[in-house]
Amino acid sequence: AQTVTQSQPEMSVQEAETVTLSCTYDTSENNYYLFWYKQPPSRQMILVIRQEAYKQQNATENRFSVNFQKAAKSFSLKISDSQLGDTAMYFCAYGTTTGTASKLTFGTGTRLQVTL
Amino acid sequence: EPEVTQTPSHQVTQMGQEVILRCVPISNHLYFYWYRQILGQKVEFLVSFYNNEISEKSEIFDDQFSVERPDGSNFTLKIRSTKLEDSAMYFCASSEFLSSSYNEQFFGPGTRLTVL
Repeated sequence: AQTVTQSQPEMSVQEAETVTLSCTYDTSENNYYLFWYKQPPSRQMILVIRQEAYKQQNATENRFSVNFQKAAKSFSLKISDSQLGDTAMYFCAYGTTTGTASKLTFGTGTRLQVTL
Repeated sequence: EPEVTQTPSHQVTQMGQEVILRCVPISNHLYFYWYRQILGQKVEFLVSFYNNEISEKSEIFDDQFSVERPDGSNFTLKIRSTKLEDSAMYFCASSEFLSSSYNEQFFGPGTRLTVL
């Protein structure tokens, strides 16, 4: 079974600074996808960034980028120029597709606080 | 922009009562999911649904749970006899298709279920 581990329960960063959230996963699959979701206090789940395992190039989405190390099964999220609106819970998630099933397995989350 | 909607936003029920949580997926999506998040914990997969049948379910999804797509737009989760431990946020998600590249699931805003 796949597992996703986020070892940082809480992180804090000052506005305009850069922060990196860690995520490791375990799988025996070769084809899979990795995601970072943001959950603000409203508790809506918002997709921040995704990475296909077969792509070597790290995904980037504006201020958000990932460091995907497939051999190490590591998938960290870097937030540059942090903004107050980035304050939220961040979940790393693993997804795979087998037949018609496509479930996401989530980590326990990292609570990010952006301060002035 | 199309979005997944869920009703009600908050449901309070007595232990032992039946509840039905409703979701309207994005209209051209074919795959539907339910996840739950107990307060302070990670998001957990419950069930995936495609072509009017369950594709995959987790061990959480026991005989007390059922899903249905009663018409062309709604997707429901029924809990037959609620228990205190069913108190959680329930998220519906949908995805357009399963591709070899990636499968993005779009989440609804969630229904907070409180069992007293």
